Amino acid sequence: EAAVTQSPRNKVTVTGGNVTLSCRQTNSHNYMYWYRQDTGHGLRLIHYSYGAGNLQIGDVPDGYKATRTTQEDFFLLLELASPSQTSLYFCASTSSAETLYFGSGTRLTVL
Amino acid sequence: KTQVEQSPQSLVVRQGENCVLQCNYSVTPDNHLRWFKQDTGKGLVSLTVLVDQKDKTSNGRYSATLDKDAKHSTLHITATLLDDTATYICVVGDRGSALGRLHFGAGTQLIVIP
Repeated sequence: EAAVTQSPRNKVTVTGGNVTLSCRQTNSHNYMYWYRQDTGHGLRLIHYSYGAGNLQIGDVPDGYKATRTTQEDFFLLLELASPSQTSLYFCASTSSAETLYFGSGTRLTVL
Repeated sequence: KTQVEQSPQSLVVRQGENCVLQCNYSVTPDNHLRWFKQDTGKGLVSLTVLVDQKDKTSNGRYSATLDKDAKHSTLHITATLLDDTATYICVVGDRGSALGRLHFGAGTQLIVIP
């Protein structure tokens, strides 16, 4: 069964803190994405990747780094977290229009 | 500029009633359109994907239409249940491959009351 697993489910940090969000997919998909979801907005693309070692910039990349270490694993890095990055973060994987799977999300709060 | 507009923003219906959610978009090209259901604080679950110029799909109590000429889609939910309470999100893909971008609407919040 297709699966995208995110961790942690919830994270609280302080301004200036260092945070890593993890995503693992077992779908053998090449493409992985990081989105953020905020009230009143559709999901917004932060970074995405075509495969291990590849990284592409999304629409709202400022303040975020990402790394794709393997085909399965995609990480989102906030090295100096700010309150504006308080959000619900989703990871997704796909190989075509027919196959698109999302993780359950990570709720990040920056105090 | 928002390229995917959903209406209404929120909707309250009584259990057993039918409802219709709307999605208008300006994304070009428009390769496919997908409807997702999102329970509060949870991930997005795909309900259906529409591909053809004028397309119709059915998935249990959910049915959807797409008219690419009008750049318009509808999601119909028949005989609503309390578990249908969720946010429904319309997403337009501009390519058939994963190289394309996904354009998300802000969602319609559906509340089903007893």
